[in-house]
Amino acid sequence: AQSVTQLDSHVSVSEGTPVLLRCNYSSSYSPSLFWYVQHPNKGLQLLLKYTSAATLVKGINGFEAEFKKSETSFHLTKPSAHMSDAAEYFCVVSDRNTGFQKLVFGTGTRLLVSP
Amino acid sequence: GAVVSQHPSRVICKSGTSVKIECRSLDFQATTMFWYRQFPKQSLMLMATSNEGSKATYEQGVEKDKFLINHASLTLSTLTVTSAHPEDSSFYICSAQQGGVVTDTQYFGPGTRLTVL
Repeated sequence: AQSVTQLDSHVSVSEGTPVLLRCNYSSSYSPSLFWYVQHPNKGLQLLLKYTSAATLVKGINGFEAEFKKSETSFHLTKPSAHMSDAAEYFCVVSDRNTGFQKLVFGTGTRLLVSP
Repeated sequence: GAVVSQHPSRVICKSGTSVKIECRSLDFQATTMFWYRQFPKQSLMLMATSNEGSKATYEQGVEKDKFLINHASLTLSTLTVTSAHPEDSSFYICSAQQGGVVTDTQYFGPGTRLTVL
C-alpha cells in the first residue's frame, strides 16, 4: 500500500528565506504525488502535482517540488518565504493500484513564517 | 474554476440527532466525490468514495449505516451522520473529481466542523 512520510511536523523560517518541506513516499506502482496547502478555515488548495512527466514540477505561488525516484522523495521548496505562506502543508500520494482515486495524505507540516 | 462548496461550515448538534452535510461542485460536473475526516492536528482520512447514481464505497472501519452518503446528481453529494455522538465530532471535508477521469485532480471543499454535545 502507498504511504507518505512528512519528516517535520513544524518548520519555522524568516520572511525572505528559503523554504524546504520534506516528503518521502512509498508506492508499489508509479505514483502521482501532490502538495496541498490548508489555510485556517479554508479548503485545501492544490499547489502542484507530479504525474510522471517532468521530474521538476512548478506550482503556484512560487513553490516547486522535485520527484526523485532513487530517494523516493518529493520535497517542496520555495526560494523566498512570504508571510502569507504560513499554513499547513500536506504531501499526498496516489497510484495506479487504486486507480489513482485514493489519495493518501501525510500527517502535515505546519509552516511558520516570522517577520 | 473548479470550486467546491460545503454547507454548513459549522454545525452543533445534540447527541442522538442526525446531521446532513452538503457538498456541491459549483462550476463543473463531478462524477466522483470523496468524503474525508480530519481530527484536530491530524491528517485527512478517506471515509468513502461516491459515484453519481451508485452506492458509495466505504473505507475499512467506516460504518456505512452511520455515515450515509448520497450522490444524487453530478453536482451534489450529501453526508448524513446518523445518531451522532460526541466521538463523531470532527472536521468533515469533501472533494470532487472533475469529469470522472481517474487521474484528474481532486478539488476540495472548505470543510464542515461538526460538534456533538
